[in-house]
Amino acid sequence: DIQMTQSPSSLSASVGDRVTITCRASQSISSYLNWYQQRSGKVPRLLISGASSLQSGVPSRFTGSGSETDFTLTISSLQPEDFATYYCQQSYSTPRTFGQGTKVEIK
Amino acid sequence: QVQLQESGPGLVKPSQTLSLTCTVSGASISSDSYFWSWIRQPAGKGLEWIGRIYNSGISNYNPSLKSRVTISLHTSKNQFSLKLNSVTAADTAVYFCARDDWDPGALDIWGQGTMVTVS
Repeated sequence: DIQMTQSPSSLSASVGDRVTITCRASQSISSYLNWYQQRSGKVPRLLISGASSLQSGVPSRFTGSGSETDFTLTISSLQPEDFATYYCQQSYSTPRTFGQGTKVEIK
Repeated sequence: QVQLQESGPGLVKPSQTLSLTCTVSGASISSDSYFWSWIRQPAGKGLEWIGRIYNSGISNYNPSLKSRVTISLHTSKNQFSLKLNSVTAADTAVYFCARDDWDPGALDIWGQGTMVTVS
């Protein structure tokens, strides 16, 4: 199985801050990396697929980058509705695997 | 608008079989473009991929659950289902069904999730 490791596990930030979350795969996954947002008690929402393709309706302050083993999700200016847990997921092979999540909290 | 909705018992006894159904509306599960997946999330924990099925009936499972899991298609009802046998308290979780968009394989549409307690 491909292991996905996110860092940090949690972070505190203020509205307007630039936030960066990293995801590392245990082997090369090309660009088969997806990012999800899960607000407390809600359903995960796909933000970015294929490492950098923003889903329809997702604000442009979210950016994904990276390839092979190292990936980044950046929120350029954190908004109140962005406080949530973010998961990366590889879709290079089965079983699909997720990172452990990064919880973005209000400072 | 594509929607997925999970249904099934919220309480299952240990050693019994957990059975859930996902009803798809706004899209056909016979489509060549998608897999249909199950994911679960224990309270306060992360997401675990359970498995997926394609319209041909080909399925892939998480090896950690493979011996206990069956995912099936019910094309006449536009549904797919999950069966997990010999459950224990460790299988207590919110279970989600989702659509896997084949390439690049993102889970682009999710059901609301259903809580299943093993007790």
